[in-house]
Amino acid sequence: VQLVESGGGLVQPGRSLRLSCAASGFTFADYAMHWVRQAPGKGLEWVSGISWNSGSIGYADSVKGRFTISRDNAKNSLYLQMNSLRAEDTAFYYCAKDPSPYQLLYFDYWGQGTLVTVSS
Amino acid sequence: EIVMTQSPATLSVSPGERATLSCRASQSVSSNLAWYHQKPGQAPRLLIYGASTRATGVPARFSGSGSGTEFTLTISSLQSEDFAVYYCQQYNHWPGTFGQGTKVEIK
Repeated sequence: VQLVESGGGLVQPGRSLRLSCAASGFTFADYAMHWVRQAPGKGLEWVSGISWNSGSIGYADSVKGRFTISRDNAKNSLYLQMNSLRAEDTAFYYCAKDPSPYQLLYFDYWGQGTLVTVSS
Repeated sequence: EIVMTQSPATLSVSPGERATLSCRASQSVSSNLAWYHQKPGQAPRLLIYGASTRATGVPARFSGSGSGTEFTLTISSLQSEDFAVYYCQQYNHWPGTFGQGTKVEIK
């Protein structure tokens, strides 16, 4: 199993950024996927999750209405569109695999993360 | 939202010794509890799910116990690669929430 995130970087408050996660080594279409973030030196926070067929999607209250999760099973890819970014969104963003097609909400494999820095 | 509280914040242990980490939930999470560890500069790794089931490839020195609101992760004989930060996470109630972490450091 390999999960490789991309798309992080430095962005000004109020701007947008799109993260991607390329998956390999397993049948991507069979599993729910998630984004989990970690502010530098801090703990872990679940951000968003999506079921195998995109039929069930959830967001943390802290990002609801600003972030959108999606997936393309044909491309083995997971995405996170982040709009109206705030300083408090600064974090490493991890792509994480759920052990179920639905959102059990724990994570059996993680990517290495991509850093998003929101600053003027 | 379920609040997960881990103790202690830091645990100083000598290699070869036993380490016991605690995790408490603000309300019952049944056995829907996972443990992860994270080494500096790395992603978290799943160790335990279902409160007591070891994930694939996890050594037998790691064991989990508990149900309801009180959980324990025990490392029977600490190896050098075990010095890391350990997180518990409940997934019984949406959203899944993590504890603040216990750092296991070399004594």
